[in-house]
Amino acid sequence: DAEITQSPRHKITETGRQVTLACHQTWNHNNMFWYRQDLGHGLRLIHYSYGVHDTNKGEVSDGYSVSRSNTEDLPLTLESAASSQTSVYFCASSEGFGTYGYTFGSGTRLTVV
Amino acid sequence: DAKTTQPNSMESNEEEPVHLPCNHSTISGTDYIHWYRQLPSQGPEYVIHGLTSNVNNRMASLAIAEDRKSSTLILHRATLRDAAVYYCIPLLSGSARQLTFGSGTQLTVLP
Repeated sequence: DAEITQSPRHKITETGRQVTLACHQTWNHNNMFWYRQDLGHGLRLIHYSYGVHDTNKGEVSDGYSVSRSNTEDLPLTLESAASSQTSVYFCASSEGFGTYGYTFGSGTRLTVV
Repeated sequence: DAKTTQPNSMESNEEEPVHLPCNHSTISGTDYIHWYRQLPSQGPEYVIHGLTSNVNNRMASLAIAEDRKSSTLILHRATLRDAAVYYCIPLLSGSARQLTFGSGTQLTVLP
């Protein structure tokens, strides 16, 4: 079955380190998204991509970057991790223009100490 | 962007129907209405979506008002597993394809 997987599930890193969170989907979806969710809050969009080599900034993109070299993967990089980036990160993918549901990964819990 | 208004929280008894309302009075004519839910410690899960007509699937039904300014997600028989935060999200058509999450409705299901 097609799926969307995130890795790692949990990560602890130190302030200032570069961190990359992986997102891999086998749905062959063109659209991929990264969200963060802070404790007790809703999801906020970080970056998104509508296809290979396409990337766009979302609402809270400062300190994050993404690259899309193939359809399946959209890794999220924290250039220099900060404590304010401690959060749960969710990846999602979709096809079409709202005519299909979006599929989310199980999340990566990142702690920056 | 279309704004949504949902109750912060609702309660239901197990095995009874639940009607979760959403107001989206600024929705445009081509916006789809998506519903997602998020169980504790999990990623959001797609529930249902529609444009103008009422929609049914194995999880729920979606009733869309004739003027499209509101919609109601219907869980026909709530189970304990349906306890989650439910998000109503108008999805802008055309070039904007990002889901914008509000605060949603926390549904509590009582045994």
